[in-house]
Amino acid sequence: DGGITQSPKYLFRKEGQNVTLSCEQNLNHDAMYWYRQDPGQGLRLIYYSQIVNDFQKGDIAEGYSVSREKKESFPLTVTSAQKNPTAFYLCASSISSGSEQFFGPGTRLTVL
Amino acid sequence: SQQGEEDPQALSIQEGENATMNCSYKTSINNLQWYRQNSGRGLVHLILIRSNEREKHSGRLRVTLDTSKKSSSLLITASRAADTASYFCATGRSGNTGKLIFGQGTTLQVKP
Repeated sequence: DGGITQSPKYLFRKEGQNVTLSCEQNLNHDAMYWYRQDPGQGLRLIYYSQIVNDFQKGDIAEGYSVSREKKESFPLTVTSAQKNPTAFYLCASSISSGSEQFFGPGTRLTVL
Repeated sequence: SQQGEEDPQALSIQEGENATMNCSYKTSINNLQWYRQNSGRGLVHLILIRSNEREKHSGRLRVTLDTSKKSSSLLITASRAADTASYFCATGRSGNTGKLIFGQGTTLQVKP
């Protein structure tokens, strides 16, 4: 997990509330990614950013928003529009698009 | 949609035996990557094989790629209990922006 931190590790929120997940990297990587993982499943891409101040939707962007104001930070907001937000969220970065990705330890979000 | 499909979904072996996991995909790729995930943790990159490579080794890991069959295999030799984890293949598609598409993973249990 070295070089990428996610906080908090566990997060509980009430239904209808927005919540922001933090992702920070000190690897000087240009590209950053957010994935969602459901039990027993692979990873699905929510948003990705190839460079600061730019980001694109992934396969399941509805109900989520991101920003990339700094190279080292890529926060993810889970909005009330996301119908089933309870999941394990993983952030990753890579030196450039297409190269190996380095993952953070993840945030487990539970909506009550 | 999931690009990679892995087989088997679960594998249980004794320590010292070899473990083979397979990954199939549907479209042309730039590279294929294998990752490992311990329960509740982030993913760790194991190996990347490019579309013009057929085989790659890293320690006890051996990866093959057959682009004509759109398949890859990961072999772990002389397995150890510490190899117990989920293993995912991820494909980087041709003409893509660096996005990876992950399979659903193979859960490997190595019994001591």
